[in-house]
Amino acid sequence: GAVVSQHPSRVICKSGTSVKIECRSLDFQATTMFWYRQFPKQSLMLMATSNEGSKATYEQGVEKDKFLINHASLTLSTLTVTSAHPEDSSFYICSVPTSGGETQYFGPGTRLLVL
Amino acid sequence: GENVEQHPSTLSVQEGDSAVIKCTYSDSASNYFPWYKQELGKGPQLIIDIRSNVGEKKDQRIAVTLNKTAKHFSLHITETQPEDSAVYFCAARGSGYSTLTFGKGTMLLVSP
Repeated sequence: GAVVSQHPSRVICKSGTSVKIECRSLDFQATTMFWYRQFPKQSLMLMATSNEGSKATYEQGVEKDKFLINHASLTLSTLTVTSAHPEDSSFYICSVPTSGGETQYFGPGTRLLVL
Repeated sequence: GENVEQHPSTLSVQEGDSAVIKCTYSDSASNYFPWYKQELGKGPQLIIDIRSNVGEKKDQRIAVTLNKTAKHFSLHITETQPEDSAVYFCAARGSGYSTLTFGKGTMLLVSP
């Protein structure tokens, strides 16, 4: 399967600060990447679709101004949580679909804790 | 949109026993059904998938079956081992380039 990395693996920040999470596709180029959020003991919830060269597509209820997505290259997408609050504490996971768009491979996730 | 129901939410088995996790989906146009294993603190790992033109697929100790008429698919793990303990998620993807809809997950515990 595809290799996807995320950085950092975990981050602790103070309320009001911004946090950037990187997602890299290490072995193939991806025009699309997906960002998910997962609260403890819950399923994966799609936040947005990151599109290289164009704006991200956000799911209903996800604030685009709070969760900034930049698909900088065909192998890198970043998610920035702006003005983070304790309720933003969660496990953020990116995924990369194969060229056919069917199979998704997930990164290892980033644990965010906002104090 | 697609709705995926997954059962049971927790499953405890003895090592060596079989485990079965079942999912139903609502969109008859869905044509791709992956299963993911997620260990604590890690990202989901694809373990097996099946497409709508196939009724069953097997990979060593794991197998997936699909009943398109009834709109349900199942994950079967035989000869379970303690290292199979994890949360398993089923998912469904509609036709065209659409996103995955996940079930709520099943926590599988395999006791030695």
